[in-house]
Amino acid sequence: GDSVTQMEGPVTLSEEAFLTINCTYTATGYPSLFWYVQYPGEGLQLLLKATKADDKGSNKGFEATYRKETTSFHLEKGSVQVSDSAVYFCALSEQGFNKFYFGSGTKLNVKP
Amino acid sequence: DAGVTQSPTHLIKTRGQQVTLRCSPKSGHDTVSWYQQALGQGPQFIFQYYEEEERQRGNFPDRFSGHQFPNYSSELNVNALLLGDSALYLCASSQWGQPQHFGDGTRLSIL
Repeated sequence: GDSVTQMEGPVTLSEEAFLTINCTYTATGYPSLFWYVQYPGEGLQLLLKATKADDKGSNKGFEATYRKETTSFHLEKGSVQVSDSAVYFCALSEQGFNKFYFGSGTKLNVKP
Repeated sequence: DAGVTQSPTHLIKTRGQQVTLRCSPKSGHDTVSWYQQALGQGPQFIFQYYEEEERQRGNFPDRFSGHQFPNYSSELNVNALLLGDSALYLCASSQWGQPQHFGDGTRLSIL
């Protein structure tokens, strides 16, 4: 069945450091891939998405590239800020976006 | 433009009781999905409603049931509550076939 595996956290970085959060997936078809972010006490916000192989999703300085050959969708940011501290979830959805499979989340702590 | 709204925000129940959670989708959205997020875990898909019918279901027992109303709002019902049902319950809405937008969730605690 479909599944998503994320690197375990927490990840602790200093402000302006480079961020990578690894995500790999298993899917039977050709899924769309997503990164969601969850701030304390809130729901999930869509950060970026990619719908086919080699697509790059980007938003607010975050990027992720859909790599079919390595079944990966790693999240990167060149310079993190304290305000980026949150839990990040990688997710996939098969055609139609009707059912999402989420990873277990990676907590990011950014120190000033 | 209001996003996805859920009520109540927090709820405390005891084992064996029944609970109803409510969700109003984002304006223009006709599809509602429900997820259970246990502490420290990612959300798990419960089911999805479109045109007032359950269209897809995850691996949850029949104690979990739902409903969608003509105005697209939705309810999640859980019967015979267990301690393990304690979680954040998230509602997500979308237009059919489009990416989902999430509400802030209902925190359910079972004593």
